[in-house]
Amino acid sequence: NAGVMQNPRHLVRRRGQEARLRCSPMKGHSHVYWYRQLPEEGLKFMVYLQKENIIDESGMPKERFSAEFPKEGPSILRIQQVVRGDSAAYFCASSPQANQPQHFGDGTRLSIL
Amino acid sequence: AQTVTQSQPEMSVQEAETVTLSCTYDTSESNYYLFWYKQPPSRQMILVIRQEAYKQQNATENRFSVNFQKAAKSFSLKISDSQLGDTAMYFCAFMKRHSSGTYKYIFGTGTRLKVLA
Repeated sequence: NAGVMQNPRHLVRRRGQEARLRCSPMKGHSHVYWYRQLPEEGLKFMVYLQKENIIDESGMPKERFSAEFPKEGPSILRIQQVVRGDSAAYFCASSPQANQPQHFGDGTRLSIL
Repeated sequence: AQTVTQSQPEMSVQEAETVTLSCTYDTSESNYYLFWYKQPPSRQMILVIRQEAYKQQNATENRFSVNFQKAAKSFSLKISDSQLGDTAMYFCAFMKRHSSGTYKYIFGTGTRLKVLA
């Protein structure tokens, strides 16, 4: 039973480019969460999605960031016009029910040149 | 707003010894969940142990156990017989149901644990 799969593991972008981070939840999990981890800090909640719906995006910046979880395919976190401050590790987690422990992927390390 | 505080940025312990990592949280809720996650140098986030606030019995998973003091809002992690593979960042996390029906984690800033040979 595969865990939460995130790709790519590492992503390098130049300022102004777009970054797309993908997350495939564990089989049977319909709840997906995205977190951001800055160096030497804990994970900060960004957005929570269920299939085709954004349930809570209170932790996601209003501009340049968007997330989706289509009926078919992985969840996508999209960052447009990246800036140096977007450099971080982005973790995706999934759970079978909303109040169950979340299982994390290995993260995507985004570096902005 | 809920907050989670881990007051020990770094700790070290000799192999085979016992170490306790502290975590306190602030909430006015009565129903919530608490977790400890481990993040080794590989940067994965691995669930170590969970505790439901309505359960008085402290959770235990092999060498890992918690001391849950609900009134004091304290949730410490005890690692017995420490092993070199326990070297990692340890994050305490709080989760509750929001009025919107959603659940989300609030993480502490982590404790870096180093197990010494």
